[in-house]
Amino acid sequence: EDQVTQSPEALRLQEGESSSLNCSYTVSGLRGLFWYRQDPGKGPEFLFTLYSAGEEKEKERLKATLTKKESFLHITAPKPEDSATYLCAAYTGGGNKLTFGTGTQLKVEL
Amino acid sequence: NAGVMQNPRHLVRRRGQEARLRCSPMKGHSHVYWYRQLPEEGLKFMVYLQKENIIDESGMPKERFSAEFPKEGPSILRIQQVVRGDSAAYFCASSPDAQETQYFGPGTRLLVL
Repeated sequence: EDQVTQSPEALRLQEGESSSLNCSYTVSGLRGLFWYRQDPGKGPEFLFTLYSAGEEKEKERLKATLTKKESFLHITAPKPEDSATYLCAAYTGGGNKLTFGTGTQLKVEL
Repeated sequence: NAGVMQNPRHLVRRRGQEARLRCSPMKGHSHVYWYRQLPEEGLKFMVYLQKENIIDESGMPKERFSAEFPKEGPSILRIQQVVRGDSAAYFCASSPDAQETQYFGPGTRLLVL
């Protein structure tokens, strides 16, 4: 069965303290790995799509990378406004549905 | 360019009533997806539709739930005879084509009393 697992479940950082979030996946025929940000009471906001191992994408303080088994979301010098739940999802080969992980809840403190 | 729109944003129903959730995809998007997010759980796929067609409903409960995406107008997720366990946030997403990036709406939060 296709599975997407994220770790840690929760992460507390001081402002400026860089870290990484992990997303490991077991899917048959990965067609795309997606990262979203979700703020409380809102819908997921698209961040990145990665298609093949070795690919990297960057946006402001965020950088996403992909290997054959996992993806990382690196956060460099985070700010309090980066506090949110970060979701990882994968398209599976046969269908058009996204399988989501349960997310990493990030809290950045002053 | 307006994003995905959902209404209502909040919906309260008593057990046994019907709930109708609406989703207007982004302009130019003809693929619509519905997901459900239960408290303390991740987003779970329910159904995938293109105009007038259900492509994949493998995540949708067999009873009481139905979805449509007519030629004109928004996509509708309909829940008949709601029960307390249906209380959740329901999100709609759209994409311009299959297996492309899905963009999500703000969700409808359903509370069943």
